[in-house]
Formats: sequence, C-alpha cells, structure tokens
Amino acid sequence: GENVEQHPSTLSVQEGDSAVIKCTYSDSASNYFPWYKQELGKRPQLIIDIRSNVGEKKDQRIAVTLNKTAKHFSLHITETQPEDSAVYFCAASISSSASKIIFGSGTRLSIRP
Amino acid sequence: NAGVTQTPKFRILKIGQSMTLQCTQDMNHNYMYWYRQDPGMGLKLIYYSVGAGITDKGEVPNGYNVSRSTTEDFPLRLELAAPSQTSVYFCASSYDEDISGNTIYFGEGSWLTVV
Repeated sequence: GENVEQHPSTLSVQEGDSAVIKCTYSDSASNYFPWYKQELGKRPQLIIDIRSNVGEKKDQRIAVTLNKTAKHFSLHITETQPEDSAVYFCAASISSSASKIIFGSGTRLSIRP
Repeated sequence: NAGVTQTPKFRILKIGQSMTLQCTQDMNHNYMYWYRQDPGMGLKLIYYSVGAGITDKGEVPNGYNVSRSTTEDFPLRLELAAPSQTSVYFCASSYDEDISGNTIYFGEGSWLTVV
C-alpha cells in the first residue's frame, strides 16, 4: 500500500554540524514532496518542498534532494543551530489523488551545544 | 486572514460519547484535511476533501465521519468515542496551484482525551 518511511527516528548532532534525514516512498507516481518542522506543542509548518521535475532545491541552510528512480528524498540542514531542534516530517503526494498527502513517522532532531 | 481555525482546543470525552471537531478556513482553499497525531508519533490522514460536497477516506478513517457542505468548513465527527481515539487532531487546508502539488497549512490542533 501507500507508504512513506523516514529514518532515523532520532538524530543528535553537534551545533554547527550538518544533519541529514532520509525518506523513501512506495508510489512511483508521487510527484510532490514537502518537509515540515514541528516544535513541541505547536502545529507542523512547511520548511521546504520539492516537485518531481526537480532534483534538488535549496533555501539558505536547508536543502532537499530527490531521486525518483530510487524513490527516496532527503533533507539536509547545514550549520545547525539550537533553534533547529524539533521534529521533522517528510511527506509525499499519492498518485490516486494529487491532494492526498501522507507523512513519514518523523525525526526528532536535537542540537548539542 | 485567520487561516485555519479549529475548535475546541481541548476536550475530554467519556467512552461512548460523540462529538464534532469544527474546522474552518478563510483562505478560499479547495482542499481540506483531517490528521491525527498520537503522542510522539507521526501524522495519519483520517479524511480529506477536494471541494464542497466531496470527501474521501485517508489512512485511518474508522470511527470518524466528515462532511463538506461549504468551501470553508470541514467538521470531523467522532461517534462512540474510544480510548484509541485519544490524540491530537489537526485540520489543514491547501490550494491546488497546479496538479503536481500544494502547500498544506495546519490549524493549531485539538487535544482530545477519551476516558
């Protein structure tokens, strides 16, 4: 069935280092891949997204890469800062309906001072 | 714009009771969603709607019902509440800019406990 898998579930990095979160999806027709950040007790908020006709997208310290052949996409955060500590979710659209978006299980990122 | 507004923010239900979570958006978005998030877990899609009068099941629809009589409103009905429905519920909406994707905007969440 339709599925988005996300790894790792927890990640701890030293402040200033890079963090990488990886996701795989099952539906080869998926064509939209957003990433959301959720701080404790708050709602998820979009931080970056990528569409199937693009292999990489960058926004300041955040970048996302997409490999459609392998059906995986990744979030890269460089020069991590304490405010990057949060839970990050990947998501993918499902081909049966472009409006149907399902999420990965989340990665809890902690930045060590 | 208020964005996506959902009520109530907190609610305690007894097993077997019913209730409706209200959701409204003022961004003229055609797509609306209900997700649930169990403690420390990811978001699971309950139901979604691509426009007024149209609703579809998501990943975990059992025990819930929805309706979409207007573009703005998308209430979620819980019938015969069970402890397994204890969760945080997020309503969300998006505008389909093109066929390949859209940005989802979430409400602040509704914390529901069933005892």
